[in-house]
Amino acid sequence: QVQLVESGGGVVQPGRSLSLSCAASGFVFSNSGMHWVRQAPGKGLEWVAFISFDQGNRYYPDSLKGRFTISRDNSKNTVYLQMSSLRPEDTAVYYCAKDSRDYADYGWYFDLWGRGTLVTVSS
Amino acid sequence: EIVLTQSPATLSLSPGERATLSCRASQSVGRSLAWYQQKPGQAPRLLIYDASNRATGIPARFSGSGSGTDFTLTISSLEPADFAVYYCQQRYNLFTFGPGTKVDIK
Repeated sequence: QVQLVESGGGVVQPGRSLSLSCAASGFVFSNSGMHWVRQAPGKGLEWVAFISFDQGNRYYPDSLKGRFTISRDNSKNTVYLQMSSLRPEDTAVYYCAKDSRDYADYGWYFDLWGRGTLVTVSS
Repeated sequence: EIVLTQSPATLSLSPGERATLSCRASQSVGRSLAWYQQKPGQAPRLLIYDASNRATGIPARFSGSGSGTDFTLTISSLEPADFAVYYCQQRYNLFTFGPGTKVDIK
């Protein structure tokens, strides 16, 4: 079954760190770039990070650079998002998404999404 | 950063009617634009990529057009399952989404 399953969300205090995971199945994970996208409650979509199939390239929006780190383990079919110095405005559902183009050094579109994991930053 | 603007914010239509959604980019993105559909409590679903190509399994009533800074998603005849929020997304310079257009039942 082709799917992505996120985990690791929860309630965290401002200034603390949290790590999310996304387990992939049903496709050749090592061929695919991966993204994280978030959605604050009642709001729109915001792209968070991209990692290429071979970890050779990673991209972030300027607004998150330095606080969020994307990584992957192709032997475990898993992509990770390490988040530090969390702020209340980081509260959102975090989705992982598969890139639509194999072997790409730069992302294309998001053709498979997980169901998301909720991160709440609150004291 | 490339900013995407979508209009209208809300589109109220009846089943069977034609829906026309607009997405405008703050600078040219060529044809590097996609459309997604999101229903409440669900993840987004890719509908259209590279401005006009339907993704796998997407019905022919969905079509995309445009290039440069102006893009359109058209739903030729609305089905009950099509009432949702639609987002455009560019990949020309990193990745950004528009704020969305909600298509609701009139």
